[in-house]
Amino acid sequence: SAVISQKPSRDICQRGTSLTIQCQVDSQVTMMFWYRQQPGQSLTLIATANQGSEATYESGFVIDKFPISRPNLTFSTLTVSNMSPEDSSIYLCSVIDSPGLAKEQFFGPGTRLTVL
Amino acid sequence: AQSVAQPEDQVNVAEGNPLTVKCTYSVSGNPYLFWYVQYPNRGLQFLLKYITGDNLVKGSYGFEAEFNKSQTSFHLKKPSALVSDSALYFCAVRDETGGFKTIFGAGTRLFVKA
Repeated sequence: SAVISQKPSRDICQRGTSLTIQCQVDSQVTMMFWYRQQPGQSLTLIATANQGSEATYESGFVIDKFPISRPNLTFSTLTVSNMSPEDSSIYLCSVIDSPGLAKEQFFGPGTRLTVL
Repeated sequence: AQSVAQPEDQVNVAEGNPLTVKCTYSVSGNPYLFWYVQYPNRGLQFLLKYITGDNLVKGSYGFEAEFNKSQTSFHLKKPSALVSDSALYFCAVRDETGGFKTIFGAGTRLFVKA
């Protein structure tokens, strides 16, 4: 199973600033995803991070607000740009370590973001 | 379109009693069904999955789930609950038409009382 780390684990940011969240996996993985989760609530998929190409964003999420990089098979970043208090949430990195619809996902510990 | 419903926001059970956390789903193709658990202040962990074959699948920590195609359900069960099972449980579904996009249910909070 893949082991995922995220940096930072939490941050408090001012309105209008940007924060970049890093996701590091201990092995090469097929797919990487970024989710948002309000504490105690369900997960909302932001985008699929594609290695070597632009991320694929879900409805309601745009690249200008949430630019994503994935330079290789073990690392990705998510930037939350021009933040507002509505962006306060937990951001989760998730991976599928090998091809196959039957493969389960592994999740990072999350980044808890508070925007003032 | 894929969808997952967890009809109970919260389930309360006494330690030692059996527990059930309900999940129903809707997909266009063959379902790939998953249960994940989130303990307080920790990330989500995979519990078990149904792909094909036996309708009763066994997973981590003594949990099992029963797939019922006619009722489009995938309920999570455990014969004897532990206080340490108290957590937030998510049912999730994927199918061929959605690719690797996984739809998560709203989550059910399980409280096991000593």
